[in-house]
Amino acid sequence: AQSVAQPEDQVNVAEGNPLTVKCTYSVSGNPYLFWYVQYPNRGLQFLLKYITGDNLVKGSYGFEAEFNKSQTSFHLKKPSALVSDSALYFCAVRDFGESSGDKLTFGTGTRLAVRP
Amino acid sequence: EAGVTQFPSHSVIEKGQTVTLRCDPISGHDNLYWYRRVMGKEIKFLLHFVKESKQDESGMPNNRFLAERTGGTYSTLKVQPAELEDSGVYFCASSQVGGPTDTQYFGPGTRLTVL
Repeated sequence: AQSVAQPEDQVNVAEGNPLTVKCTYSVSGNPYLFWYVQYPNRGLQFLLKYITGDNLVKGSYGFEAEFNKSQTSFHLKKPSALVSDSALYFCAVRDFGESSGDKLTFGTGTRLAVRP
Repeated sequence: EAGVTQFPSHSVIEKGQTVTLRCDPISGHDNLYWYRRVMGKEIKFLLHFVKESKQDESGMPNNRFLAERTGGTYSTLKVQPAELEDSGVYFCASSQVGGPTDTQYFGPGTRLTVL
């Protein structure tokens, strides 16, 4: 079975500082990894995904994520946080090797709070 | 291009009543998914349509939930009768070609409260 862990319920960072939102995963085969963001009163917005190739993936709004197979992690990063980045972030995984179909398995979400 | 839309945005019903949620996918997307987030926990998969056919309904919690996608366009998710534990946010997503690498695009969700 596939699973995702987001160990931090909330991350606090000052505007202008770098941010990291952590995600670890467990799959039986090769993972496909996704990050989504939910702004207040909005739906989930796709940020970026890792399928194969370069371990550093760049996405929307200046975000990037690094795939680390040995640590089974896919942490979301941004070099300089903005107050407008404050939102709920979800990591999700699909297992290529498992007959789990197209469904995404999500973590519990991490709330990012960027203070001015 | 319009995104995934869901109706209503909020619904408050009494236990035992029926509620129907609607999802309109992105035009041209054959794949439609329903997910649910209950009480601030993880977002969980409910089911997957390819056009009008149910491809995977392994996440449907019980037979009080009925999903349809007549004509392969919009989809409805009916809960009958609703129970307290059904409260949560119901998300719909769509993707163009399906498969493990394809991106699913989500709607704004319907917040269901069962009293």
